[in-house]
Amino acid sequence: KAGVTQTPRYLIKTRGQQVTLSCSPISGHRSVSWYQQTPGQGLQFLFEYFSETQRNKGNFPGRFSGRQFSNSRSEMNVSTLELGDSALYLCASSLRVAGGTDTQYFGPGTRLTVL
Amino acid sequence: KQEVTQIPAALSVPEGENLVLNCSFTDSAIYNLQWFRQDPGKGLTSLLLIQSSQREQTSGRLNASLDKSSGRSTLYIAASQPGDSATYLCAMSAGGATNKLIFGTGTLLAVQP
Repeated sequence: KAGVTQTPRYLIKTRGQQVTLSCSPISGHRSVSWYQQTPGQGLQFLFEYFSETQRNKGNFPGRFSGRQFSNSRSEMNVSTLELGDSALYLCASSLRVAGGTDTQYFGPGTRLTVL
Repeated sequence: KQEVTQIPAALSVPEGENLVLNCSFTDSAIYNLQWFRQDPGKGLTSLLLIQSSQREQTSGRLNASLDKSSGRSTLYIAASQPGDSATYLCAMSAGGATNKLIFGTGTLLAVQP
C-alpha cells in the first residue's frame, strides 16, 4: 500500500511569488492535515480537510490557503511569499476525523526555500 | 493554551543502553498521544499511539506510557542501536471533531556505536 506522497519535494522561490504544494493521502484515507516545520517554531498545524471541507485552521495569515479534491488529494497555496515561509511543509493523512484516535501517517514533506 | 514540552532537547548514549524520553503536556483533557520519529530532512514515522483510556503501548523495543493525572508520557527504548539515532517527537490530540496534533519540540537522540 503506497504511503503519503508529496510533490514537489524541493522548491526554491523568491519573495513575492506564490507556490502550490500537493499531497496525495494513503488510498482510502479521507482526512488530510498540513503542518509547517521550522527550526524556530517546530511543527505547527496549518489546516485540516475532510471530504473536501476545511475542518480546522491554525493560526496562520490568510496568505496560506488550501483545498481538498473529491479524490482526497489536497493542495496548499502560499501567496506573496516571505523569507519566513521557508520551511518543511508536511502533510498527514488518516482514515477519518476521530479526535486523533486514528494513527496519522506523514509524507516526506516539501522543502520550500524563499530567497 | 495547550503546550507540549520534551526534555531533554538532546541526548547521547552508548549503544546497548536503555533510555527514557520524556514528554509533558498542560491539558489533562488529552485525547490521545502519539510518538513519532523523524530522520534528518525526512517526514515523520509513527511509532506508537496511546489512546486516552490506555496507560501504555509496546512495539518491539519501544514502550510508551501515558499518565494523564501528572500530564506526562514517556518513551522507553530498550537496548539502543545506532539506527535509533533520530529526533523523537511526541504529539497530543485534543480530541473532538479534529485530528489536529500539538507537537513537542523533540528530543534529538544520538546512539554512539
